[in-house]
Amino acid sequence: SSELTQDPAVSVALGQTVRITCQGDSLRSYYASWYQQKPGQAPVLVIYGKNNRPSGIPDRFSGSSSGNTASLTITGAQAEDEADYYCNSRDSSGNHLRVFGGGTKLTVL
Amino acid sequence: QVQLQQWGAGLLKPSETLSLTCAVYGGSFSGYYWSWIRQPPGKGLEWIGEINHSGSTNYNPSLKSRVTISVDTSKNQFSLKLSSVTAADTAVYYCARLQPAVISGRYMDVWGKGTTVTVSS
Repeated sequence: SSELTQDPAVSVALGQTVRITCQGDSLRSYYASWYQQKPGQAPVLVIYGKNNRPSGIPDRFSGSSSGNTASLTITGAQAEDEADYYCNSRDSSGNHLRVFGGGTKLTVL
Repeated sequence: QVQLQQWGAGLLKPSETLSLTCAVYGGSFSGYYWSWIRQPPGKGLEWIGEINHSGSTNYNPSLKSRVTISVDTSKNQFSLKLSSVTAADTAVYYCARLQPAVISGRYMDVWGKGTTVTVSS
């Protein structure tokens, strides 16, 4: 079982806003990073830190955190945003171990 | 532009040892952690472990008894060995660069394309 919990599936209408969440005790102390994965492709980093986007990631992607929950928000979802999204952070053991959330399948309607 | 190129045997028999290597091109090798992640068919990502240029490692406790990650700084490469494989180890294996950022937290910003490993008798 994962120490980071994500909803298995979320859907959003084209052009609307969607929030994908990640819950875990370690998120009270550490930032999550977020990865987008399309079928047959390697994951791509979309958000890291408090709310940082790597070069080339559209500004419709944003991140936030409150308590034990990290969120990835897509404002004005596009068809090409349909993908699996994973959060990643340190585990809650206090050691330098990392853990992924179970992933959220985003469907753009 | 940093690129990771990975390779290794794609078909193994049960009880054999999985061996993969990832080469780093176009960037510094020191100052980062280098990670292995895997993804079983139809399932999510699983962190396997990481190593820095000095050879300091961290492993997923669930795999620790079977995993060895090593580094060859002379070639800018790092490797994964997973012993006594079973069908449950069938997955796509990815290598990735882990940014050791203190303020932003660590994150994996560069990924290899993945290597499909199948364990079957």
